[in-house]
Amino acid sequence: RKEVEQDPGPFNVPEGATVAFNCTYSNSASQSFFWYRQDCRKEPKLLMSVYSSGNEDGRFTAQLNRASQYISLLIRDSKLSDSATYLCVVHQTGANNLFFGTGTRLTVIP
Amino acid sequence: EAGVVQSPRYKIIEKKQPVAFWCNPISGHNTLYWYLQNLGQGPELLIRYENEEAVDDSQLPKDRFSAERLKGVDSTLKIQPAELGDSAVYLCASMDGPNTGELFFGEGSRLTVL
Repeated sequence: RKEVEQDPGPFNVPEGATVAFNCTYSNSASQSFFWYRQDCRKEPKLLMSVYSSGNEDGRFTAQLNRASQYISLLIRDSKLSDSATYLCVVHQTGANNLFFGTGTRLTVIP
Repeated sequence: EAGVVQSPRYKIIEKKQPVAFWCNPISGHNTLYWYLQNLGQGPELLIRYENEEAVDDSQLPKDRFSAERLKGVDSTLKIQPAELGDSAVYLCASMDGPNTGELFFGEGSRLTVL
């Protein structure tokens, strides 16, 4: 079983739409959680951390449900520039290993 | 501040040939990772270094892959001999501190094996 499971999409949404991505992780010992963004043919870059209480950064909201081992990312008012692949990442701090999901591809359409 | 530097950006070789990738992490980052990324997939860990020590190489196919980080700074990943299935992007990343969780990636080395 993979450490991190994501729906690969693709998600094609119109500008201004709200879109949500989900991710599940298998190891309950996972301690930190992140969303990374990867543009086409570029390297992944950190988008935001995910805190237990949920956190927001502008149009982006991340949530964590430890009981269900579930992470989500919500993007409001989608922009064309949001088109990218969004990677769910879990960090097992004891082992200092980061496990990536397959990524969810988003295309925002004019 | 310079980011993670990788070379070469692109490499095309014939199967059974050797290939090597080089990575220079961000200055002061003790933790260095090599990941492999196939098209449509997320990065998969090959090896992790803490300073010069390879602390997790469980996913490295040791029959043909090797890596080193002799002075705890830059690192080299080698494949010998390369196989068709090794075609992928090889990403190097470094982390500031053991448990911050933020990886800084290089641009990657795209390998094509013919």
